[in-house]
Amino acid sequence: DGGITQSPKYLFRKEGQNVTLSCEQNLNHDAMYWYRQDPGQGLRLIYYSQIVNDFQKGDIAEGYSVSREKKESFPLTVTSAQKNPTAFYLCASSMDGRSNQPQHFGDGTRLSIL
Amino acid sequence: KNQVEQSPQSLIILEGKNCTLQCNYTVSPFSNLRWYKQDTGRGPVSLTIMTFSENTKSNGRYTATLDADTKQSSLHITASQLSDSASYICVVSDTGTASKLTFGTGTRLQVTL
Repeated sequence: DGGITQSPKYLFRKEGQNVTLSCEQNLNHDAMYWYRQDPGQGLRLIYYSQIVNDFQKGDIAEGYSVSREKKESFPLTVTSAQKNPTAFYLCASSMDGRSNQPQHFGDGTRLSIL
Repeated sequence: KNQVEQSPQSLIILEGKNCTLQCNYTVSPFSNLRWYKQDTGRGPVSLTIMTFSENTKSNGRYTATLDADTKQSSLHITASQLSDSASYICVVSDTGTASKLTFGTGTRLQVTL
């Protein structure tokens, strides 16, 4: 089945530690996105990529980094500079970067601080 | 600042009943509006996408309406089922790019016996 796979489902970070969240898609989509979801707030865009080897900052990119070396993969690193990383992280993809294309989401990674 | 407001925040209904969720937006210009269903601990799943020229769109028991003049949308769920228990999120695009979406905070629906 085609879809988006995020791993791990749960992740714990120690102080000063960088952690990487995995996102893989087999939908042959060009565009991929990372969102953060906090209780009582709408999803907020962290980074997005419309093509391999290119990505752009979203609204809340500080403390995060990404790479897009392969079409299928868009990993997100939460660095120690992100002081409030506890949240539900969602990866999404769409056929291209146009907003009339539906976004397909993974089932998220819940990140907590130890 | 673009905003999407949803009401009610939460709703409890009996199985088999109908319900309507509301979405008001102050996004300009307007490109399209979509509704997503998000089960607890899962990613959102797209239900409908509507452009300026569409005022209604259905997906099974889900029917979305759009009034672009008043900047309001509603999602009507017919003959609710226990599996409809989820959060429903309204999302509005102000341009033609998916990087400029404004997400509502969602309505939490619980369907009970």
